[in-house]
Amino acid sequence: EAAVTQSPRSKVAVTGGKVTLSCHQTNNHDYMYWYRQDTGHGLRLIHYSYVADSTEKGDIPDGYKASRPSQENFSLILELASLSQTAVYFCASSKQGDQDTQYFGPGTRLLVL
Amino acid sequence: GEQVEQRPPHLSVREGDSAVITCTYTDPNSYYFFWYKQEPGASLQLLMKVFSSTEINEGQGFTVLLNKKDKRLSLNLTAAHPGDSAAYFCAVSITGNTGKLIFGLGTTLQVQP
Repeated sequence: EAAVTQSPRSKVAVTGGKVTLSCHQTNNHDYMYWYRQDTGHGLRLIHYSYVADSTEKGDIPDGYKASRPSQENFSLILELASLSQTAVYFCASSKQGDQDTQYFGPGTRLLVL
Repeated sequence: GEQVEQRPPHLSVREGDSAVITCTYTDPNSYYFFWYKQEPGASLQLLMKVFSSTEINEGQGFTVLLNKKDKRLSLNLTAAHPGDSAAYFCAVSITGNTGKLIFGLGTTLQVQP
């Protein structure tokens, strides 16, 4: 079954440390996305990618980098983690021609202390 | 830009009662509309994608109504049961197949036996 998986599922990080969240999809989708979910804010788009080796900024990219080394893999990188980046992070994928229909991974719960 | 308002933020109903969640949006060019269900600790599950102003019954105990004139999207769980207890999110895409979705803040539904 096609799926979007994320690792780790939860992580505790220290302020100022580097955090890498990984996403892998077997949907054969071209598009991949990173969202964060905060209480009271719904989901907000951080970065997305429509092809390997290319990433685009979403609505809230500050403090985050993204990497798409292959069609299947999409990483979110927090170079200097901050308290305000404590959130649940979701990865999603969608196919070319139906980009808006997005399928989500299980999420990564990040706590920055 | 597009703004999506979702109401109510919290909803509690008894088993067998109906539950209605509504989203209003501002951009008349909004193209696709989505409802997602998120059970506690889980990812977002796509419930339905709507394109035209039509009432759709998916046969899973809910109906979706889109009124483009009033810029209103609603989800009606016709006879709620405890398994419907979850958070529900609407999402709206702008101009179709851009991959950029604007999410409502969510509604937490609790169905009491």
